[in-house]
Amino acid sequence: EVQLVESGGGLIQPGGSLRLSCAASGFTVSSDYMSWVRQAPGMGLEWVSVIYTSGRTDYSDSVNGRFTISRDNSQNTVYLQMNSLRVEDTAVYYCARVQYGGSSVGVDYFDSWGQGTLVTVSS
Amino acid sequence: EIVMTQSPATLSVSPGERATLSCRASQSVSSKLAWYQQKPGQAPRLLIYGASTRAAGIPPRFSGSGSGTEFTLTISSLHSEDFAVYYCQQYDPWPVTFGGGTKVEIK
Repeated sequence: EVQLVESGGGLIQPGGSLRLSCAASGFTVSSDYMSWVRQAPGMGLEWVSVIYTSGRTDYSDSVNGRFTISRDNSQNTVYLQMNSLRVEDTAVYYCARVQYGGSSVGVDYFDSWGQGTLVTVSS
Repeated sequence: EIVMTQSPATLSVSPGERATLSCRASQSVSSKLAWYQQKPGQAPRLLIYGASTRAAGIPPRFSGSGSGTEFTLTISSLHSEDFAVYYCQQYDPWPVTFGGGTKVEIK
């Protein structure tokens, strides 16, 4: 059974840093594209970042240059390092496995999601 | 980037009735569209991908249709566990974007 478990969220002041973890089981993170998707309180979903099987990464414009996605194959875990945090980064952050659906880039839909971890950026 | 617009924002339906949710893309996404269900305090769950293919374990009362810019999610007969927020998401062109959601509530 595929399972994703996020951790690392919490309350942080603007300008601070936080690292989120996503521990996977039931599959190998290095064999799939993995993404982070966030949801601000009471709002919709926003794609944040992806790490490809090659190790290449991509980011949304809103976090590019501040967030870094990575993975540890030995731990079967994906990370999101978040620096220079802003109030508008406050959200539940979900780790999700990407499935290929025929697009040109290959980051298509998300078939498995973790339970999410809440990041609150506030002074 | 593609803007996804869902309507209505809230849909009030009685159990056993049919629910029809709409999703419109600001430009064509072909059939590269997924639907998700999210219940309070839970992660989204994949329902439909490729505009009309049900994900594993999704009951046949959920169906998706459409292509290009207009899409529909239909729940043929609402069960109590179907009351939730539904999101559409396009995945071509890059980057993926989500709609704002439709809340299906009990009438």
